[in-house]
Amino acid sequence: QKEVEQDPGPLSVPEGAIVSLNCTYSNSAFQYFMWYRQYSRKGPELLMYTYSSGNKEDGRFTAQVDKSSKYISLFIRDSQPSDSATYLCAMSERFTGTYKYIFGTGTRLKVLA
Amino acid sequence: EAGVTQFPSHSVIEKGQTVTLRCDPISGHDNLYWYRRVMGKEIKFLLHFVKESKQDESGMPNNRFLAERTGGTYSTLKVQPAELEDSGVYFCASSPAGYNSPLHFGNGTRLTVT
Repeated sequence: QKEVEQDPGPLSVPEGAIVSLNCTYSNSAFQYFMWYRQYSRKGPELLMYTYSSGNKEDGRFTAQVDKSSKYISLFIRDSQPSDSATYLCAMSERFTGTYKYIFGTGTRLKVLA
Repeated sequence: EAGVTQFPSHSVIEKGQTVTLRCDPISGHDNLYWYRRVMGKEIKFLLHFVKESKQDESGMPNNRFLAERTGGTYSTLKVQPAELEDSGVYFCASSPAGYNSPLHFGNGTRLTVT
């Protein structure tokens, strides 16, 4: 079993829709949770970063963490064609001298104009 | 502020040859990481430098891979000799000293071994 599970998609939605992207994990030691966006032939770009349960909002993006269920989500409101990309969740344990991120496989999102 | 820079962006080599990838982290970032994504798989950790010292190299697949970070600035990752299964995208990431700082990634080097 993988430590982090993420549906690879692809997920196609119409412009303006609310998008929900999710990851589940099995390691209860994970303390830090990140969402990255990756465009084709580019590197992962940090979108959201949190280390506590609950919601964190940044513009059209909301990251949600439920440590009791080992489940994290990224919501995108008013989705735009420019949001079409692969979204990666990443997690790491409490800092012990290194940040070894464990990534999900990524969800491909396509927002249709 | 310049981001993490990697080159080459793409390298095609034959099995048995040597390839060296380079990463320039964001200026002032003490932490430098190498990750790799092989086809169809998730991005996986290779190793972590703090300045010029290897903090964690538990993800290095075998001794054909050698990473260095001379002077605590740029880093190189050498694969010698390359095998077919080494094909993938190699990402470098950096972060400031200390903790609670997320990683910033470069655009990666796409390595193809034929």
